[in-house]
Amino acid sequence: NAGVTQTPKFRVLKTGQSMTLLCAQDMNHEYMYWYRQDPGMGLRLIHYSVGEGTTAKGEVPDGYNVSRLKKQNFLLGLESAAPSQTSVYFCASRPGQGFNSNQPQHFGDGTRLSIL
Amino acid sequence: GDSVTQMEGPVTLSEEAFLTINCTYTATGYPSLFWYVQYPGEGLQLLLKATKADDKGSNKGFEATYRKETTSFHLEKGSVQVSDSAVYFCALSLQGAQKLVFGQGTRLTINP
Repeated sequence: NAGVTQTPKFRVLKTGQSMTLLCAQDMNHEYMYWYRQDPGMGLRLIHYSVGEGTTAKGEVPDGYNVSRLKKQNFLLGLESAAPSQTSVYFCASRPGQGFNSNQPQHFGDGTRLSIL
Repeated sequence: GDSVTQMEGPVTLSEEAFLTINCTYTATGYPSLFWYVQYPGEGLQLLLKATKADDKGSNKGFEATYRKETTSFHLEKGSVQVSDSAVYFCALSLQGAQKLVFGQGTRLTINP
């Protein structure tokens, strides 16, 4: 019963390096989301996807790119990491529009990313 | 736009105290309302939800009632435990919407 799995769980990068965070879900959900959580800021939506091959911008998309090549996977990329991107990143998924839209989002356990 | 406002934290209580965390919302339609809980080092988990006015969601001794007249969804628990220490998020979802709207979260600490 994996649910939403995020890899890696922790990572330290140097400024300017690039990396990709992977989110995988085994619930056949259509919608997937990437959030960042900073102290005192709650959750902020970075990008989201409403189906395979689609992506859309959230509140804070700058400096990030995403891809949804397979329904079960949603990748978040940092092209050139900056210290301001130090945060905890959460992935979430939920059933799509064909289901009851009151379905909650299911979250992964997060990736703690530090940019030095 | 649609928004959720939670009482500011942190909130610190003693074990067995009564808990209320206030949540009010602004929405253009008739939202579904959710409470999520985040334990230390973990992701968010759904705690309870309500999908229409006067519905009461409940789970693990927590309750919240959807009050359309006051646009509120306050979280309550009669007797808190140390294990309830966590961050609590109120959220709303509108019919047909693709995204949730979250409040800023309330950190709760329960002392033995």
